[in-house]
Amino acid sequence: KAGVTQTPRYLIKTRGQQVTLSCSPISGHRSVSWYQQTPGQGLQFLFEYFSETQRNKGNFPGRFSGRQFSNSRSEMNVSTLELGDSALYLCASRIGDYNEQFFGPGTRLTVL
Amino acid sequence: ELKVEQNPLFLSMQEGKNYTIYCNYSTTSDRLYWYRQDPGKSLESLFVLLSNGAVKQEGRLMASLDTKARLSTLHITAAVHDLSATYFCAVDISGSQGNLIFGKGTKLSVKP
Repeated sequence: KAGVTQTPRYLIKTRGQQVTLSCSPISGHRSVSWYQQTPGQGLQFLFEYFSETQRNKGNFPGRFSGRQFSNSRSEMNVSTLELGDSALYLCASRIGDYNEQFFGPGTRLTVL
Repeated sequence: ELKVEQNPLFLSMQEGKNYTIYCNYSTTSDRLYWYRQDPGKSLESLFVLLSNGAVKQEGRLMASLDTKARLSTLHITAAVHDLSATYFCAVDISGSQGNLIFGKGTKLSVKP
């Protein structure tokens, strides 16, 4: 069974630009969560989508947004990039509520 | 606000020795996960602990959960170099919100 996939794996952007990251969950998984990992703040929850609906959102500014498609694939978008947005962005999928989350390989975003 | 505290944050061990990593959390939860992360890699699921008194073992690692004390432990037996990695505990306070709260991680270095 294929795991969670994320594209691209690496991105370099400059301040002020915007970026879109993609996540394909494990087949049959309907819930996708996004996390940001930085050396200073650790792993922080961004948002969770289930059946194309955002059910939960972490404490991040509105520049961070996401969506989920009918095939459960998810994208997250960061607009007006700041240097502090440099991080590893991880997505995780699970089959449904109260189930384990499985993480993808991550997208490493560098903002110059 | 839920807090998840791991200690120690850094652990340097000799091969063959035993040690325990502690994970304390500040609110009621009966879902706790342990993950391993190698440098530059994603999170690999190690253990899923879903009830008070749960104990899981895999190789040289054993995890336990005491929901009344709000404490989970990850015990390492006879450490080997291959166990060198960062270990995270994560608490799921809702089950339905897709929001894991992570500890800051314990960076384990096992030296010959």
